[in-house]
Amino acid sequence: DAKTTQPTSMDCAEGRAANLPCNHSTISGNEYVYWYRQIHSQGPQYIIHGLKNNETNEMASLIITEDRKSSTLILPHATLRDTAVYYCIVRASLYGGATNKLIFGTGTLLAVQP
Amino acid sequence: NAGVTQTPKFQVLKTGQSMTLQCAQDMNHEYMSWYRQDPGMGLRLIHYSVGAGITDQGEVPNGYNVSRSTTEDFPLRLLSAAPSQTSVYFCASSYGVDTGELFFGEGSRLTVL
Repeated sequence: DAKTTQPTSMDCAEGRAANLPCNHSTISGNEYVYWYRQIHSQGPQYIIHGLKNNETNEMASLIITEDRKSSTLILPHATLRDTAVYYCIVRASLYGGATNKLIFGTGTLLAVQP
Repeated sequence: NAGVTQTPKFQVLKTGQSMTLQCAQDMNHEYMSWYRQDPGMGLRLIHYSVGAGITDQGEVPNGYNVSRSTTEDFPLRLLSAAPSQTSVYFCASSYGVDTGELFFGEGSRLTVL
């Protein structure tokens, strides 16, 4: 699976959009981009995933560049409860012989400020 | 639904002792896995299972055993605890073996003295 690079930490004002970047320049055609977050001392929580199209759900939006070498997770109206470590993960599809063996890096610590 | 349940939440062991961390899920998930998380590091995969009777090693399997006799349960055994195994352990499961959407337990904090 391709390696990802994320900033170590970011700040965001409460009520504003939080834009979390992720670089995955070695991503291949059958690899998906997944985002998870981990609120302090809790288990990680799935947020969203995508292949090449932009995706949106009730939690966030995922914007993947056309060349798929980077992506951005957008939390449209950040709240204090969104303070967490956010993990960007690249994972091959079943047709690549992969399973759910997700490899978590160190992620981005997002601090939402009041 | 209880989701993914881990027990115990906290445990202190002495070097050389053995113990089992329990993980149970009530969602009929095929895939189950164990991760450990050390301070300042991401989660590292220890062992995983794609169904009852099938287990395999992850990134850091040494010192740990697993078995999957039922769909619901996936216990992690420490055979002879070492201080290097002091960590927070997370169990995760998913409906399919390739969905990428894992459901995590709340974690088990283990200290080995």
